Amino acid sequence: GEDVEQSLFLSVREGDSSVINCTYTDSSSTYLYWYKQEPGAGLQLLTYIFSNMDMKQDQRLTVLLNKKDKHLSLRIADTQTGDSAIYFCAESGNTGKLIFGQGTTLQVKP
Amino acid sequence: GAVVSQHPSRVICKSGTSVKIECRSLDFQATTMFWYRQFPKKSLMLMATSNEGSKATYEQGVEKDKFLINHASLTLSTLTVTSAHPEDSSFYICSALTQGLEAFFGQGTRLTVV
Repeated sequence: GEDVEQSLFLSVREGDSSVINCTYTDSSSTYLYWYKQEPGAGLQLLTYIFSNMDMKQDQRLTVLLNKKDKHLSLRIADTQTGDSAIYFCAESGNTGKLIFGQGTTLQVKP
Repeated sequence: GAVVSQHPSRVICKSGTSVKIECRSLDFQATTMFWYRQFPKKSLMLMATSNEGSKATYEQGVEKDKFLINHASLTLSTLTVTSAHPEDSSFYICSALTQGLEAFFGQGTRLTVV
């Protein structure tokens, strides 16, 4: 079945760039998403990319998609302490249901 | 982006009672909605696909008689946790699908069964 994998933990210093990586197995993925979840809160959609795109930039966020390698990354420029959260990568095929990765906990040190 | 509203955001109920959670697409029609469950410090697990006007499709291992899903209109799906027990305590999140297959999530419902 479909699978989405992420590293579990990333620690960076405030002001540095963060890169969170994700790999997936479903070659029919339509959309790939990045969500942020703060403690006790719901999911906040950060950005998403359509599968025929290679890159999408939105302010401090840059999403890169390597469809051949089924690799997705999220780069956060100038990481702030408020960016500390769990980041989920998810992919959806043509049914629309999302398969989530395990989540990457981003810790930002002052 | 499109807006999905989930209600209530938090609910505490007694063991043995039933709880209904609503998921509404506010500015678009959604023939398909999804219900997810998130265990503490875990990822989201798809529970079921809710289709307007037809029966929900449940994922393997999810009890359909315990988690009743109704999708009576193009903007509303409900999840009823019947005869709730403490092990049903969890974070439940819905998502609604646009015609372009973009998924938008509600803010989630934290259910605590005491």
